[in-house]
Amino acid sequence: ETGVTQSPTHLIKTRGQQVTLRCSSQSGHNTVSWYQQALGQGPQFIFQYYREEENGRGNFPPRFSGLQFPNYSSELNVNALELDDSALYLCASSLMAGSIQRDSPLHFGNGTRLTVT
Amino acid sequence: AQKVTQAQTEISVVEKEDVTLDCVYETRDTTYYLFWYKQPPSGELVFLIRRNSFDEQNEISGRYSWNFQKSTSSFNFTITASQVVDSAVYFCALSVDSNYQLIWGAGTKLIIKP
Repeated sequence: ETGVTQSPTHLIKTRGQQVTLRCSSQSGHNTVSWYQQALGQGPQFIFQYYREEENGRGNFPPRFSGLQFPNYSSELNVNALELDDSALYLCASSLMAGSIQRDSPLHFGNGTRLTVT
Repeated sequence: AQKVTQAQTEISVVEKEDVTLDCVYETRDTTYYLFWYKQPPSGELVFLIRRNSFDEQNEISGRYSWNFQKSTSSFNFTITASQVVDSAVYFCALSVDSNYQLIWGAGTKLIIKP
């Protein structure tokens, strides 16, 4: 069983730039969720993708966008980076059937550490 | 609105001591799910337990146990005979829908000293 993998591991960007983070879901999973975790805080839900469509969104501005591909992998795009976007970005995969999560927990990757200077 | 509070920012105990991590949640929904995750220094969030609102049975898994009390909106986590490898940040989380779009507490940093 292949776990959730995220790339890159670390990234340094300048304010105003754009960034793309990537996530490969665990084999057998069809849903991907993205979370932002600032230093010393709990994760904050950004959005979830199911069947290549956004299936719920947290309190994040439109400059945070995403994609899910037919192989269930996903990208998180952030435009016009701000200093406060510096955080650990976590991807989690799970299995949904219909609109209901199957009896499985969220499986997280190791995250991408984004630093905006 | 939903909220999860982990009032203990940091706990430090000596190895082999028992330790309890507190979690208090707020929601008006009658159906919800509660989770505990462990985050070691590597950053990956490791799933420990999920409990739905209709199952108030306490659970024990090895040295870990969980006490779910709807009357006090709490879902506390106890580690018995703690070990140095238990050192990590522990998060409690809540989902009020079946999509597992989680609301997280701020986490409790647990330090186990040898």
